Amino acid sequence: NAGVTQTPKFQVLKTGQSMTLQCAQDMNHNSMYWYRQDPGMGLRLIYYSASEGTTDKGEVPNGYNVSRLNKREFSLRLESAAPSQTSVYFCASRENRVYSNQPQHFGDGTRLSIL
Amino acid sequence: RKEVEQDPGPFNVPEGATVAFNCTYSNSASQSFFWYRQDCRKEPKLLMSVYSSGNEDGRFTAQLNRASQYISLLIRDSKLSDSATYLCVVRGSQGNLIFGKGTKLSVKP
Repeated sequence: NAGVTQTPKFQVLKTGQSMTLQCAQDMNHNSMYWYRQDPGMGLRLIYYSASEGTTDKGEVPNGYNVSRLNKREFSLRLESAAPSQTSVYFCASRENRVYSNQPQHFGDGTRLSIL
Repeated sequence: RKEVEQDPGPFNVPEGATVAFNCTYSNSASQSFFWYRQDCRKEPKLLMSVYSSGNEDGRFTAQLNRASQYISLLIRDSKLSDSATYLCVVRGSQGNLIFGKGTKLSVKP
């Protein structure tokens, strides 16, 4: 059982380049999330998808777009990378049942450096 | 006021010590609370959920005080392997998690 799988694990980009971070989960979870983690800042929500076919902005969405391709996959795209987007990116998923207290499950993270 | 606030530490304790972490949250309507553990350069992993009546899992005890909007984590008989950053987490209205910045714990021999 792989859980939440993120690719790539590491990436170096030049300013202005674009790329897509991939995330897939095999737990049949409804909700998926993208976070970024910067030193001294904690994890911050970029975008989330409460269910297949829906996406919504989180705390720090500027400079990013997302696609919920199907129930399994939720991708994060940087159209024109900036040095301020250097960070560790985590994807997470959760079974979104009403009155439930399920935690989120995280992928291993993507370490992205933009020069 | 930050949504979730924690003492950043670091807490440096000897093996066998008891250590307590505290956390406050700003949204009185919050319903779900967690402690996550994060090892260096790894993903956050759920340590335990926090229930209104308080709950215990082995050496770990979590407490919730809704009136004070305060969450705590107590670790008894610290082990070297407990060294990590402990994240206080509150669930937001859309199911997302709102993280504190974390408290770093170092357990020394």
